[in-house]
Amino acid sequence: GQSLEQPSEVTAVEGAIVQINCTYQTSGFYGLSWYQQHDGGAPTFLSYNALDGLEETGRFSSFLSRSDSYGYLLLQELQMKDSASYFCAVRPEDSSYKLIFGSGTRLLVRP
Amino acid sequence: ETGVTQTPRHLVMGMTNKKSLKCEQHLGHNAMYWYKQSAKKPLELMFVYNFKEQTENNSVPSRFSPECPNSSHLFLHLHTLQPEDSALYLCASSQVTEGRTNEQFFGPGTRLTVL
Repeated sequence: GQSLEQPSEVTAVEGAIVQINCTYQTSGFYGLSWYQQHDGGAPTFLSYNALDGLEETGRFSSFLSRSDSYGYLLLQELQMKDSASYFCAVRPEDSSYKLIFGSGTRLLVRP
Repeated sequence: ETGVTQTPRHLVMGMTNKKSLKCEQHLGHNAMYWYKQSAKKPLELMFVYNFKEQTENNSVPSRFSPECPNSSHLFLHLHTLQPEDSALYLCASSQVTEGRTNEQFFGPGTRLTVL
């Protein structure tokens, strides 16, 4: 089976850098995705790592290491609007459609 | 706006009621999904449809009944629900292509309360 673990909460100050980790136990998967969800809103796609290494999209970067069963989302120059929940997700090799989500990390950005 | 709409946004129902949730996607995608989101738990995949054919049923109780009349519309029919079924029900769609991200686009969800 597959399971993904994330810290439940992270707090950081505006302008800082924060890293949200995701460790997983899975028999095989295509890639690691990250989604953002504001309170009362829908999850929205942020990034995808098919291969090991760092993917950068503006202030957000995502990293994957398959050998370490580990990934992270890095948020730079934090803004108040970044306060939200962040979910990692994997697409298992035995399904073209399914995404398995972590339980999410609630990020609180303080002034 | 993600291109996925859901109605109603909020629903309160008794355990003996029958209601339906509706989802529509305007993105031309070939797959649609129902998820359940409860507090402090991962999003739970319930059903997946690919071109109107159900491809996944994640051991969901029969009191939840999905319907996909075409590739743009998805329904979730509810009957004799339990209070523990109270949650946010999210619909999503994606364009599934081998080797691609399977980025999913989510609707705003229906907040369901079962009394």
